[in-house]
Amino acid sequence: DIVMTQSPDSLAVSLGERATINCKSSQSLLSRSDNKNYLAWHQQKPGQPPKVVIFWASTRESGVPDRFSASGSGTDFTLTISSLQAEDVAVYYCQQYYSVPITFGQGTRLEIK
Amino acid sequence: EVQLVESGGGLVQPGGSLRLSCEASGFSFSNFYMTWVRQAPGKGLEWVANIRKDASAQYYADSLKGRFTISRDNAKNSLYLEMNSLKVDDTAVYYCARGFGIDYWGQGTLVTVSS
Repeated sequence: DIVMTQSPDSLAVSLGERATINCKSSQSLLSRSDNKNYLAWHQQKPGQPPKVVIFWASTRESGVPDRFSASGSGTDFTLTISSLQAEDVAVYYCQQYYSVPITFGQGTRLEIK
Repeated sequence: EVQLVESGGGLVQPGGSLRLSCEASGFSFSNFYMTWVRQAPGKGLEWVANIRKDASAQYYADSLKGRFTISRDNAKNSLYLEMNSLKVDDTAVYYCARGFGIDYWGQGTLVTVSS
């Protein structure tokens, strides 16, 4: 199974400041056949189901604000929120869909400092 | 608009069974893999099972094999999860989700296993 490890477990950032979350996979998520990284980022606000914000490691889902960006390839990935807003308070999960079983990171709790 | 609506959750005793349903709308259901993911209270996301578009193959978390069965009815745009021999540790919100790389989530249905 591919193990997904996020860091940090929790993060407190001031409004308007940058937030960065890391995700590391135990195996490469880069497919040689289509040159895509099979990684998604999901946002889960309190009391709500998750919602995808990024797929293919760096593609923003429609309707997601452009302050959200993501990068990385192979085994190391990053989600960045360039200017934190109050509505971004949530737990963020990375998810690999390169192989079965699908696996998630343990989550990073993002709060306002 | 893509919608996934789960139902069938509730309180069940240890050793009991439940069948969850997920009704899909707003997209061509038969063209997508579907997924069940669960979340225990205060915990993270745990993949449960996947099923191919045509139901030709199903995949399960090792810890659940033999107790849970995923199925679908493309004519009814519906996904199911049959859960047997339920344990207290199966208590969770169960989410129906579209795709392998999940792009839509349902609201979830709570399953509580308790005596």
